[in-house]
Amino acid sequence: GAVVSQHPSRVICKSGTSVKIECRSLDFQATTMFWYRQFPKQSLMLMATSNEGSKATYEQGVEKDKFLINHASLTLSTLTVTSAHPEDSSFYICSAATGRDYEQYFGPGTRLTVT
Amino acid sequence: GNSVTQMEGPVTLSEEAFLTINCTYTATGYPSLFWYVQYPGEGLQLLLKATKADDKGSNKGFEATYRKETTSFHLEKGSVQVSDSAVYFCALPSGTYKYIFGTGTRLKVLA
Repeated sequence: GAVVSQHPSRVICKSGTSVKIECRSLDFQATTMFWYRQFPKQSLMLMATSNEGSKATYEQGVEKDKFLINHASLTLSTLTVTSAHPEDSSFYICSAATGRDYEQYFGPGTRLTVT
Repeated sequence: GNSVTQMEGPVTLSEEAFLTINCTYTATGYPSLFWYVQYPGEGLQLLLKATKADDKGSNKGFEATYRKETTSFHLEKGSVQVSDSAVYFCALPSGTYKYIFGTGTRLKVLA
């Protein structure tokens, strides 16, 4: 149980275009979902926290107009990287929490490459 | 606020060697503590956890004991395998369901 999927697993896009990444909790309802960014050989950096039906809470320094997060249902959150640039290339990981305990369940990650 | 300090890597060991990855924490109260593992090109998987002081979490031959006296949660394995090569993250909750992660320790096991 407690499986989280991400789609796509890899995406290559051209500079200036937008990319949407989906995060789904497959067998549970996620009251809270998190989006992380990971640079090569570094730890995870929390970008934002999203709760179903409300606006996401962004961490300091994360541009909310660039990284649009929508948590439309208890099983789906999306991250849209708008007007992507090469410096947005990274590994993006989502996680989901049930709200019953402090454990987070992580997706497999999405590698974004902007050319 | 809560914080986690994790030993720097990379750690390179021969197969069947003993592994210790140190993790110490600063926290208000006694939060749950977690170890996550990230295999190359993948997301994070929960390796083990401990929910209260003196608890020992274990999984796949890995163990970690929640020690409040030394505020530590060191990860150990008696005999590592090549397949254990990965990055290991220590984590604890901070705020509403948020995590604070350690910097990650890369382990490379040689055959």
